[in-house]
Amino acid sequence: NAGVTQTPKFQVLKTGQSMTLQCAQDMNHEYMSWYRQDPGMGLRLIHYSVGAGITDQGEVPNGYNVSRSTTEDFPLRLLSAAPSQTSVYFCASRQPGVGKLFFGSGTQLSVL
Amino acid sequence: DAKTTQPPSMDCAEGRAANLPCNHSTISGNEYVYWYRQIHSQGPQYIIHGLKNNETNEMASLIITEDRKSSTLILPHATLRDTAVYYCIVRVIQGGSEKLVFGKGMKLTVNP
Repeated sequence: NAGVTQTPKFQVLKTGQSMTLQCAQDMNHEYMSWYRQDPGMGLRLIHYSVGAGITDQGEVPNGYNVSRSTTEDFPLRLLSAAPSQTSVYFCASRQPGVGKLFFGSGTQLSVL
Repeated sequence: DAKTTQPPSMDCAEGRAANLPCNHSTISGNEYVYWYRQIHSQGPQYIIHGLKNNETNEMASLIITEDRKSSTLILPHATLRDTAVYYCIVRVIQGGSEKLVFGKGMKLTVNP
């Protein structure tokens, strides 16, 4: 049982490059979300989805796009990376109505 | 808006009980209190949650005051492996959607 799987674990980008952070879960959870964590800060919600075809913005959505074509996958896209997006990114999933989130192991992203 | 307030840090001696406080004075009647912890840079791990009754599981106990404006997470016999950042979170329900908003958390250091 893999749980929540994030890839890649580490990534270095140049300013202006684009990339997609992958997130997959095998628990048939309807709810998935993306957080970023900066040094000395807590986790801030970027985008979330309550089911396939439905996404919504969190606290810090600017510069990020998401889509949810399947229950299992919730990719996060950076269209034009900026140094301010250097952070650790966590994907999480849960069942609706239940607050027990299952987190992935994170992606450490550096934008130069 | 994290809706919770925690002290930034706390120390505890190994083998002693660790009592981690949290204030959530604006909590609504149907909002649950959740606790997570994050060890090093791993993804946060769910600990426990509650609405108004005290709760206990294999990891910890959660004591919620009668007026629900504060709660305490209790680790009965703290070990060095309990050193982590602990997040007290209120599950926010807005406009039909629900979110978990993480604040900065509290760093617990268990000392030998």
